[in-house]
Amino acid sequence: QKEVEQDPGPLSVPEGAIVSLNCTYSNSAFQYFMWYRQYSRKGPELLMYTYSSGNKEDGRFTAQVDKSSKYISLFIRDSQPSDSATYLCAMSEDWGAQKLVFGQGTRLTINP
Amino acid sequence: KAGVTQTPRYLIKTRGQQVTLSCSPISGHRSVSWYQQTPGQGLQFLFEYFSETQRNKGNFPGRFSGRQFSNSRSEMNVSTLELGDSALYLCASSGEGASGEKLFFGSGTQLSVL
Repeated sequence: QKEVEQDPGPLSVPEGAIVSLNCTYSNSAFQYFMWYRQYSRKGPELLMYTYSSGNKEDGRFTAQVDKSSKYISLFIRDSQPSDSATYLCAMSEDWGAQKLVFGQGTRLTINP
Repeated sequence: KAGVTQTPRYLIKTRGQQVTLSCSPISGHRSVSWYQQTPGQGLQFLFEYFSETQRNKGNFPGRFSGRQFSNSRSEMNVSTLELGDSALYLCASSGEGASGEKLFFGSGTQLSVL
């Protein structure tokens, strides 16, 4: 079993829909949780960075962490075709760690 | 400010050969890490360098090695290439201080082993 599990999709939704992406993990030492977005033929870019349990909002994006359930989510409101990409969750035990454990990534397509 | 630059962008090698990939971090960044990305295993951490010292290493065989130079540029080397080494190799850099948690990735080097 992988340390971080993420449904690879693909996930296809109409423009304007609310998208929910999720990851589960097994290592209770993870304290820092990230969501990255990766466009085709590009490297991942950081979308959200959260510490411990709780919610964090940034524009149309909301990240949620539930450490008791070892479950994290990313919500995208008012989804746009430009949001079409692969979304990767990532986790680490320490702040600023370069050694991240990534989920498999979910390929998302927003249809106009 | 220029982003993380990786060269070459694409590479084709045959089994048994060795390969060297290059990474120039964002100016001022001293931490550089390398990741391997494959469809089957996803993104996996290879190693991390800070000020020319390897600070962390992932679970890869000794055929995978790296180094960092005094100007923070980094190279990784894979010797005796195997078919399974075909992957996108990504380099990331980060700064220090308040935004030190943010990893900036390059576009990667796509390695194909035939």
